[in-house]
Amino acid sequence: AQKVTQAQTEISVVEKEDVTLDCVYETRDTTYYLFWYKQPPSGELVFLIRRNSFDEQNEISGRYSWNFQKSTSSFNFTITASQVVDSAVYFCALSEVNTGNQFYFGTGTSLTVIP
Amino acid sequence: DAEITQSPRHKITETGRQVTLACHQTWNHNNMFWYRQDLGHGLRLIHYSYGVHDTNKGEVSDGYSVSRSNTEDLPLTLESAASSQTSVYFCASRPGLNSYEQYFGPGTRLTVT
Repeated sequence: AQKVTQAQTEISVVEKEDVTLDCVYETRDTTYYLFWYKQPPSGELVFLIRRNSFDEQNEISGRYSWNFQKSTSSFNFTITASQVVDSAVYFCALSEVNTGNQFYFGTGTSLTVIP
Repeated sequence: DAEITQSPRHKITETGRQVTLACHQTWNHNNMFWYRQDLGHGLRLIHYSYGVHDTNKGEVSDGYSVSRSNTEDLPLTLESAASSQTSVYFCASRPGLNSYEQYFGPGTRLTVT
């Protein structure tokens, strides 16, 4: 079974629109970590954020914000006022303490921001 | 600056050949990982190591092997390359079990013809 589901394969938005990337995870662990990575067209993977299972506070970093809800097993990522430089593939990942903190990645969401 | 590098960045090889992809990090991280990235699958774990002489199989380890003789390097070997192993390969590292995010190398694009 897929531990991390990113149901949105591709999203296109017009510049300055807000966009939310969905991430739903599945785990039986009480201690786990969630991550978002960005993969721009150049191909490298860039770490964006880590949240642990005990901290449900939403986080904001500039135009980026993350909404962690344990009740729905979701860790969604919102980009406000999108820019062309936000065009990338975004991956959500889960790390479980009981499996040695191995990463389980979703299949990614490809975001295209149209100027 | 400390970093993680992979070589080669691009490789074309023939079916049946042995291929080794290099991964080198200068952060002195104990944990190192190899993933492959394929369309529709995201990143899948091939092998990982928690320290020198430690290696473990990941989700898609068949046809691959690794060895860890020092902290800095985790080479990935394809014993007999198959077309199904055409992919982009990423190496990653992190300091240890109690630190969580992984830092990725630039990737190696491997084509098996």
